[in-house]
Amino acid sequence: QAVVTQEPSLTVSPGGSVTLTCASSTGAVTSGHYPYWFQQKPGQAPRALIYETSKKHSYTPARFSGSLLGDKAALTLSGAQPEDEADYYCLLTQSGGRVFGGGTRLTVL
Amino acid sequence: QVKLQQSGPGLVKSSQTLSLTCAISGDTVSSNSAAWNWIRQSPSRGLEWLGRTYYRSKWFSDAGVSVKGRIIVNADISKNQFSLQLNSVTPEDTAVYYCASYHYDSWGRGTPVTVSS
Repeated sequence: QAVVTQEPSLTVSPGGSVTLTCASSTGAVTSGHYPYWFQQKPGQAPRALIYETSKKHSYTPARFSGSLLGDKAALTLSGAQPEDEADYYCLLTQSGGRVFGGGTRLTVL
Repeated sequence: QVKLQQSGPGLVKSSQTLSLTCAISGDTVSSNSAAWNWIRQSPSRGLEWLGRTYYRSKWFSDAGVSVKGRIIVNADISKNQFSLQLNSVTPEDTAVYYCASYHYDSWGRGTPVTVSS
């Protein structure tokens, strides 16, 4: 099974910007992997912020955006807020199903 | 707005079958533009996508590699719900199980399931 890799942890200052990435062991991530990005706060179910690389749900704050960056999928947060402190996961469609990354713990400090 | 209501036991014995149900309100399980997912989460294995079912003129289902051969995801049109069956469980299957909609914008509350040896 393919392995999906994310940065284990990142820190961003309030008001600052940060980019989280999502890599696949099978090679470059493309739109054909239909990347999803999830936010999870303690005690809550994850919720998708971004689907199919860059599409946003109606509840997704405008400060979050999804893209492809080099050979990875990327989630960019511009203008971090204290409430953005959470775990973030990506999900890629691979042969044989869908695979989650290990997650990035984002600290807003 | 789609709401998902999970139900099922929180304790299953090793080698037996784990069965969970997810009732849908605000959408139809047989919608041609929907798909219905099962995901689980544990400290040791993280988030795992388990499988899904969807209707596109006929029913389809997909399974994740880690549970392929042990999982059945079905839909019940009469009750507007879908279900997860995971066979031959072991303590490794202990996790919080979630159901979720097509683009993961609606989730069930999660069912903590313990597999006892």
